[in-house]
Amino acid sequence: KQEVTQIPAALSVPEGENLVLNCSFTDSAIYNLQWFRQDPGKGLTSLLLIQSSQREQTSGRLNASLDKSSGRSTLYIAASQPGDSATYLCAGATTGTASKLTFGTGTRLQVTL
Amino acid sequence: KAGVTQTPRYLIKTRGQQVTLSCSPISGHRSVSWYQQTPGQGLQFLFEYFSETQRNKGNFPGRFSGRQFSNSRSEMNVSTLELGDSALYLCASSGTLAGHFTDTQYFGPGTRLTVL
Repeated sequence: KQEVTQIPAALSVPEGENLVLNCSFTDSAIYNLQWFRQDPGKGLTSLLLIQSSQREQTSGRLNASLDKSSGRSTLYIAASQPGDSATYLCAGATTGTASKLTFGTGTRLQVTL
Repeated sequence: KAGVTQTPRYLIKTRGQQVTLSCSPISGHRSVSWYQQTPGQGLQFLFEYFSETQRNKGNFPGRFSGRQFSNSRSEMNVSTLELGDSALYLCASSGTLAGHFTDTQYFGPGTRLTVL
């Protein structure tokens, strides 16, 4: 059974700082890993998806990596902005059940002026 | 492109009632998944439908059910509501977009259900 953990639970950084969010998963038979952001009371916005055959994906100031052997993924945010403040969730899909995502509990990020 | 839409956005029900939530996926997507989000349990997978068939199921009681129509729209039903069913219910779709298949799950805004 896939279990996903995110550390830290909350993070506050000043604007302009680079930061890394961590995600750990237990089942190495991971099919893909997806990063989302969620604003308060809203749905989820997909940020990046990494297939199990990939090592990283980039979109603008975001870079996500995947290391199956260690069961870890990281989301790197460069030059953080106040608009990046949100909860960031990672979710893994296991081989054979690609549409069944197991979510971590999220990291609540606040970027201060 | 139009995103995933969910109706209604807010619902208030009382214990013992039943409720039906609706989800319209992105055009061309054939997979629709449902998730429950609560402060205590986080996001949990309910079930997934593909081409009108339930393809995956989470660990929820039989009071939670769903279906998918030929146009890929999906509904979920919760019967005999309990206080603990109060949650944000999210649906997500995935499939072919602009001729390209993707595993990316696109989420709707959710339906906030309050059970009194």
